[in-house]
Amino acid sequence: QKEVEQDPGPLSVPEGAIVSLNCTYSNSAFQYFMWYRQYSRKGPELLMYTYSSGNKEDGRFTAQVDKSSKYISLFIRDSQPSDSATYLCAMSAIQGAGSYQLTFGKGTKLSVIP
Amino acid sequence: DAGITQSPRHKVTETGTPVTLRCHQTENHRYMYWYRQDPGHGLRLIHYSYGVKDTDKGEVSDGYSVSRSKTEDFLLTLESATSSQTSVYFCAISESETGWRFFGPGTRLTVL
Repeated sequence: QKEVEQDPGPLSVPEGAIVSLNCTYSNSAFQYFMWYRQYSRKGPELLMYTYSSGNKEDGRFTAQVDKSSKYISLFIRDSQPSDSATYLCAMSAIQGAGSYQLTFGKGTKLSVIP
Repeated sequence: DAGITQSPRHKVTETGTPVTLRCHQTENHRYMYWYRQDPGHGLRLIHYSYGVKDTDKGEVSDGYSVSRSKTEDFLLTLESATSSQTSVYFCAISESETGWRFFGPGTRLTVL
């Protein structure tokens, strides 16, 4: 079982729809949870960052973490064509000697159709 | 791209030739990373640096070496490029090690 599982999609939705993107993980030591957005032929950019269970909202984006179920989600409200991108989840845990391991999901490709 | 540049942005080379990719940052961040991104594998850490002349291996370090002689520059070298090293390479930086990383624009490398 891989440490982080993310459905690669592709996911296609109409403009204005609510989008739900999800990742599951197996390592209960993960403490910090991130979502990155990557446009085609660009570098990933940090979208959301959280370290606790519950919801964190930023504009049209909501990040949700459920540590008991080892499940994180990103919700996009009122989706726009400009949201079309690949979304990567990432999570980090302390390894030995205080160093951090950051593990990425493989990404979900989202297309928002006008 | 948070003050990160990568050069070259595109490169085509032949098997067996040495290749050096450069990452330059203007943020004065302590940590710098090299990742490769491949279909079906996602982002994988090659090497990282936690200070000038301080580097360590990531999960896919075989065939790669790195050097960091200045805070702002982190070099990735493929001593003898192979076709399996065809990939998109991303440099990333962070102020601390808690995982919040900013990525550069990437270098697309093709090894023929």
